[in-house]
Amino acid sequence: KQEVTQIPAALSVPEGENLVLNCSFTDSAIYNLQWFRQDPGKGLTSLLLIQSSQREQTSGRLNASLDKSSGRSTLYIAASQPGDSATYLCAVTLPWAYSGAGSYQLTFGKGTKLSVIP
Amino acid sequence: DAGITQSPRHKVTETGTPVTLRCHQTENHRYMYWYRQDPGHGLRLIHYSYGVKDTDKGEVSDGYSVSRSKTEDFLLTLESATSSQTSVYFCAISIDRVNTEAFFGQGTRLTVV
Repeated sequence: KQEVTQIPAALSVPEGENLVLNCSFTDSAIYNLQWFRQDPGKGLTSLLLIQSSQREQTSGRLNASLDKSSGRSTLYIAASQPGDSATYLCAVTLPWAYSGAGSYQLTFGKGTKLSVIP
Repeated sequence: DAGITQSPRHKVTETGTPVTLRCHQTENHRYMYWYRQDPGHGLRLIHYSYGVKDTDKGEVSDGYSVSRSKTEDFLLTLESATSSQTSVYFCAISIDRVNTEAFFGQGTRLTVV
């Protein structure tokens, strides 16, 4: 069964700092990996999607990398701002050809709660 | 924002009563999902649909049923609500099995007393 781990569970940084959030997964045969942001009491907002054939994706101040062979992804946030404060979740999708209830679904980590201090 | 509307947004119900949550999308995406989010467990898949009348179970499907009679609507029913089903429920959509980027609704907070 695919397991996704995010460390640390919480992170507090001063405004302006560059930071890295980590995500690891146990089964390297993923179809893609997605990073989300969740604000308190809100839904999930998709930040970046990395296909299994890609090494990284960038959107503004965000850069996500993927190393399938080692089962790791990182989300890099440049020049952090107080508005970046939220919980960041990573999720992986197994290829649809996998059998069983675990196929073709997102498996989520428990998230990293980020606080950016002004 | 993806056009996903969940209703109701908040609900309090009594143990043993039936409850139906609705997810409505305006994107014409083929795949729709129901997840629940609980402290300590993260998000877990309840059921998903890959087309009208085509559904399958997820990781935590016991006590839940779903229906999809139209592309745009995916209903989640708790036949007889229990306190363990107190949770925040999220609907998600994705285009198809190739384009799997998922977009989420705002969630429904359900409390079973």
